[in-house]
Amino acid sequence: GAVVSQHPSRVICKSGTSVKIECRSLDFQATTMFWYRQFPKQSLMLMATSNEGSKATYEQGVEKDKFLINHASLTLSTLTVTSAHPEDSSFYICSARDRGLAYGYTFGSGTRLTVV
Amino acid sequence: AQSVTQLDSHVSVSEGTPVLLRCNYSSSYSPSLFWYVQHPNKGLQLLLKYTSAATLVKGINGFEAEFKKSETSFHLTKPSAHMSDAAEYFCVVSEWRTGRRALTFGSGTRLQVQP
Repeated sequence: GAVVSQHPSRVICKSGTSVKIECRSLDFQATTMFWYRQFPKQSLMLMATSNEGSKATYEQGVEKDKFLINHASLTLSTLTVTSAHPEDSSFYICSARDRGLAYGYTFGSGTRLTVV
Repeated sequence: AQSVTQLDSHVSVSEGTPVLLRCNYSSSYSPSLFWYVQHPNKGLQLLLKYTSAATLVKGINGFEAEFKKSETSFHLTKPSAHMSDAAEYFCVVSEWRTGRRALTFGSGTRLQVQP
């Protein structure tokens, strides 16, 4: 079945540094990937839609200069949190649309980011 | 505009008893609807989806959901709960948003299963 690998699963970084999160589709090509943020005990909020070979589309209120998205190939999208601050601490989840599922979406296992 | 309302933030059942997780949606168009399950600190796993075919949808692990257009509901059920079902469940609607398809998530329902 469709598998999305997300790495790292957990990261702790110092305030002011940058962190890169990778999202890979292992057995299918994903022209579109999605990045979500989830606060404790809350639902997922779409941050941006990542399109292979073009600029990402950000949701309202998401700072594109802070959350850099690169989708350079059909199997890899990256999210870089730049100049991280404690308020950026959250659970980040990526998702890719698997056309074989007919509008189904496969999710990565998530990345727990803690900024200290 | 589109929204998803999960009517219960917490549901607690005893092992072996039925599960009902409620979801109502609003949509301007014929929606695609999904139920996902999330275990602690894990990603989301698709349980089932509705895409305008049969209104009663069967998913994995014995779950099923019925799409009722007249009630704008897509409730998730399981005849007999298992301890391993304890997790967070999300009802999700797929929509077109500025030329692309995107998902809108409900607020989630935490299912507890008592022994």
